[in-house]
Amino acid sequence: GAGVSQSPRYKVAKRGQDVALRCDPISGHVSLFWYQQALGQGPEFLTYFQNEAQLDKSGLPSDRFFAERPEGSVSTLKIQRTQQEDSAVYLCASSFGNSPLHFGNGTRLTVT
Amino acid sequence: EDQVTQSPEALRLQEGESSSLNCSYTVSGLRGLFWYRQDPGKGPEFLFTLYSAGEEKEKERLKATLTKKESFLHITAPKPEDSATYLCAVQVVGGATNKLIFGTGTLLAVQP
Repeated sequence: GAGVSQSPRYKVAKRGQDVALRCDPISGHVSLFWYQQALGQGPEFLTYFQNEAQLDKSGLPSDRFFAERPEGSVSTLKIQRTQQEDSAVYLCASSFGNSPLHFGNGTRLTVT
Repeated sequence: EDQVTQSPEALRLQEGESSSLNCSYTVSGLRGLFWYRQDPGKGPEFLFTLYSAGEEKEKERLKATLTKKESFLHITAPKPEDSATYLCAVQVVGGATNKLIFGTGTLLAVQP
């Protein structure tokens, strides 16, 4: 596709449920990033992949958050035992070399 | 600690009324400063990258400038379609880290 694609666009989960968010980066983009954006705030870094290697996961808020990119293209962000504070927009971005990050439109997660 | 502060938080302009948005930063070793535009329900859209003090970049009614401590996004004769949230970010690279640190954004409303 022409841009970064994220699915689902919206997800409602009951507290305690597990969720999985998918990101399809731009074809050929080596680097992939996940960010979390709370309402009225700027995006906050969660984790960074180069190909299939997760090089930095320092931004993941807790061990309930897990990300993978097994074949170096599609990535999944998984959140276990969701809590209300996990409600946010989760943005995926990809880039190639030193090019700027291209963001998807995000998944809005609401935990009730 | 690496930090980005944007001001004002919100700005309302009349169509044609020029103004500037401010982004001040503290970062250990600036690799790049980025401006993004974000529309409601969308991911951030890349506008500019600036790398060194004194650098300027222009695109249509927007012009970005950079000093050693801050960046300005100048909007000349804005139109209603320029209404959006404008995000500033600094790139932090080191070891395994490669991430953008964002400010909280300036919400711009341009009234006809």
